[in-house]
Amino acid sequence: DQQVKQNSPSLSVQEGRISILNCDYTNSMFDYFLWYKKYPAEGPTFLISISSIKDKNEDGRFTVFLNKSAKHLSLHIVPSQPGDSAVYFCAASASLFNKFYFGSGTKLNVKP
Amino acid sequence: DARVTQTPRHKVTEMGQEVTMRCQPILGHNTVFWYRQTMMQGLELLAYFRNRAPLDDSGMPKDRFSAEMPDATLATLKIQPSEPRDSAVYFCASGLAETSGIRIEQFFGPGTRLTVL
Repeated sequence: DQQVKQNSPSLSVQEGRISILNCDYTNSMFDYFLWYKKYPAEGPTFLISISSIKDKNEDGRFTVFLNKSAKHLSLHIVPSQPGDSAVYFCAASASLFNKFYFGSGTKLNVKP
Repeated sequence: DARVTQTPRHKVTEMGQEVTMRCQPILGHNTVFWYRQTMMQGLELLAYFRNRAPLDDSGMPKDRFSAEMPDATLATLKIQPSEPRDSAVYFCASGLAETSGIRIEQFFGPGTRLTVL
C-alpha cells in the first residue's frame, strides 16, 4: 500500500506558464517532505524540501506548498522552462520511521 | 566533483543467474541507500546502511536479495537467483548523517538498469 501517491503520471505545460505537480500522502505521522527531479539515465537530484511546521517554502522558481489537513503537497514551477522537463518525485518521512517513502513520479514536459 | 558511482550501468541476464550491483558512495558519506525504481511502485527503499552497519532492510526480499558494505567505499546488492520480476532500475544513494536521524540530503548514483529474461 503506497503511502505517498502522485496520481498524475504526466503533465504537459507551455514554456513560461506555471507547472503544478501534486502529491498526496496517507500517513499523518509524516512531517518532512522533499521533491526530487530526475532526468533520463541519471539518478534523482534533490530539489526542495519542507517541514510540517511550514506551509510554504520557496527557492527561486520553485515553491512547495503543504496542506497538512488535506495531506497534500504541491510543487509550483514558475515560469516553466524546457530544461524543467523531467520526472518529479515527492517523498515523505517521519521522525519515527527513519526512512523516506517515495511517490511513483510525474513526468513533466515543458513545450517551447 | 564528488559523485556516487554505480556499476554496471546496464545488465541483461537470464532467470536464475546471480547478479551483483556495486556502488561507490561519495567519500566521507556515512549513509548508503539502495532503491529500486519500477513503473508501478516508483522508488522503493530496499535497504540502507549507516557507518557500514545495516539499519533497515525491510524493503528487500530476504530469500534472494542481500546487501553488504565490505568497506566504506563499496556497497553491493546481490540477487541470487534472479527472476524476471526483478527487472528494474536500481539506485544507490549516499549522504552524511550527523545525528541518528535519516533526514539527510541523499545523492543518487546514475542507476543500474537490470533486465532479467
